[in-house]
Amino acid sequence: DTGVSQDPRHKITKRGQNVTFRCDPISEHNRLYWYRQTLGQGPEFLTYFQNEAQLEKSRLLSDRFSAERPKGSFSTLEIQRTEQGDSAMYLCASSSGTSYNEQFFGPGTRLTVL
Amino acid sequence: GDSVTQMEGPVTLSEEAFLTINCTYTATGYPSLFWYVQYPGEGLQLLLKATKADDKGSNKGFEATYRKETTSFHLEKGSVQVSDSAVYFCALSFPFSGSARQLTFGSGTQLTVLP
Repeated sequence: DTGVSQDPRHKITKRGQNVTFRCDPISEHNRLYWYRQTLGQGPEFLTYFQNEAQLEKSRLLSDRFSAERPKGSFSTLEIQRTEQGDSAMYLCASSSGTSYNEQFFGPGTRLTVL
Repeated sequence: GDSVTQMEGPVTLSEEAFLTINCTYTATGYPSLFWYVQYPGEGLQLLLKATKADDKGSNKGFEATYRKETTSFHLEKGSVQVSDSAVYFCALSFPFSGSARQLTFGSGTQLTVLP
């Protein structure tokens, strides 16, 4: 399978704990996105990488959130001191950067904060 | 800011019925428009797209026409199947401006097709 993969698929944690998610994009894609999707809503943009550089961050990305993409391959999204409001599906997408920027999405990581 | 508004769901249809899911957008400029579909347990998949006014995107029997005058991109299918049951998202992006070109999504419409 050469699609976008995410790990873990599900994460349950207690409030105040730190969590880290991983995304492996399609190998030749240099653009990588993180989105957050809450129940009954569409995905909302969090942050964007072009290769290893994080070029844009949404106002949704509070100081407790940090994302990296070392070497321009896989990416990690860490949430520190989780809050119940962080419970959501975290989606990763990648793109080759062609003009129309078709983004390919992974299956998501569902986070539940108790 | 930019936004996408979809008709509220859920939508329940019988097999072979005609489907319309309304989508309108608010944006400064001329975005590209997309429909994504999310089947149960799977990631979002691009269903179709249109990149300029009057373009018609089509795929798997689904169609949508980019209407600049009404800022709309309604999704249609002439005869739905049980396998079309999924959540459908309308989205926009600006592919030629800025660096991120991120997608802005509507809230999604749940479609259930009954046999």
